[in-house]
Amino acid sequence: GNSVTQMEGPVTLSEEAFLTINCTYTATGYPSLFWYVQYPGEGLQLLLKATKADDKGSNKGFEATYRKETTSFHLEKGSVQVSDSAVYFCALRKGGGADGLTFGKGTHLIIQP
Amino acid sequence: DTAVSQTPKYLVTQMGNDKSIKCEQNLGHDTMYWYKQDSKKFLKIMFSYNNKELIINETVPNRFSPKSPDKAHLNLHINSLELGDSAVYFCASSPPGQGRHEQFFGPGTRLTVL
Repeated sequence: GNSVTQMEGPVTLSEEAFLTINCTYTATGYPSLFWYVQYPGEGLQLLLKATKADDKGSNKGFEATYRKETTSFHLEKGSVQVSDSAVYFCALRKGGGADGLTFGKGTHLIIQP
Repeated sequence: DTAVSQTPKYLVTQMGNDKSIKCEQNLGHDTMYWYKQDSKKFLKIMFSYNNKELIINETVPNRFSPKSPDKAHLNLHINSLELGDSAVYFCASSPPGQGRHEQFFGPGTRLTVL
């Protein structure tokens, strides 16, 4: 079946540090890949997505590239801010009209000033 | 305008009670979902509906019954609540498009069963 594996954390960094959150997946075919972010007490917001191999998704300084050869979709940001503190979820969607998302377990990111 | 809304935001109830959570989306999407987020933040799909028709039912106890009166609404009714049902429940919707599109999530309903 489909699965997503990501580092669970918590990951604690200082402001302006470089961020990488690793995400790898297992799926047949060509899934679409997503990063969602959940701020404390809130719902999930889409951060970025990629729908085919070698696509790069980017938003708010975050980037992730769909690497089919390594089945990975690592999230990166060059300089994190305190406001980036949240839980980050990597997810895949196989396809088909009503397929649900398969989520990783989430990575709690804490940015210290 | 809120795209995906859920009510109530918080729900505290006793074991054995029956409760409902309502979800509405004003995005014109055909497909709606319910997800459960446990205390460790793990998210798992429970149901999906496409144009009011049940598509996915992921090994959820039959105490949980989704109802879709129209394609803009997907409600979740839970009978005989148990302690293990305590979680945050998220509604989501997505447009058609063979899985390329993201899902839009509601703010969540935090259910606490005492």
